[in-house]
Amino acid sequence: SYELTQPPSVSVSPGQTASISCSGDKLGDKYACWYQQKPGQSPVLVIYEDSKRPSGIPERFSGSNSGNTATLTISGTQAMDEADYYCQAWDSSTSYVFGTGTKVTVL
Amino acid sequence: QVHLVESGGGVVQPGRSLRLSCAASGFTFSSYAMHWVRQAPGKGLEWVAIISNDGSNKYYPDSVKGRFTISRDNSKNTLYLQMNSLETDDTAVYYCAKGQSGGSLDYWGQGTLVTVSS
Repeated sequence: SYELTQPPSVSVSPGQTASISCSGDKLGDKYACWYQQKPGQSPVLVIYEDSKRPSGIPERFSGSNSGNTATLTISGTQAMDEADYYCQAWDSSTSYVFGTGTKVTVL
Repeated sequence: QVHLVESGGGVVQPGRSLRLSCAASGFTFSSYAMHWVRQAPGKGLEWVAIISNDGSNKYYPDSVKGRFTISRDNSKNTLYLQMNSLETDDTAVYYCAKGQSGGSLDYWGQGTLVTVSS
């Protein structure tokens, strides 16, 4: 079965840039998206179709996807960005798959 | 404003059944595919099922195939998940979510907790 692998944790200082990777076989051939989930809350879509931001998502969130890796970048990270982040991909052969999740800590 | 409200969760014994519901509002329900996603306590997200906008196509991962059935009533703007032969590993918060182009899920409900325990 298809798997998406993320680092368990990423630490970042306020104002700095956080990058979260998501690795999967030929992931660049599929659309990748990213969700933010804060404790006790439902996931929120922050990036879809590799690099598009939904309405209301701050510009500091950006995404890319190429080869075997998709990346979520948070520029100028704020304390409110501390959360779990999940990548997700879809195609007709692998169906819907979520990544293993990354806990972002703003130190 | 899109609103998704799940209900039907609770405590159930292994081997028994449960049906979840998701009431949708704020968008044209019959135009969009809908999903169920679950999250076991302290764990990550797991996709459970998708149903096409008209209900004609349904897909599941192997972990629930043959035990869970997704359905919808577009006249009631409601999504369902029938869960049979429940196992302790099915214990999780179950979310319904609206699908959009590119395979992402753009709106999620607040979730309903299902606990499978004897």
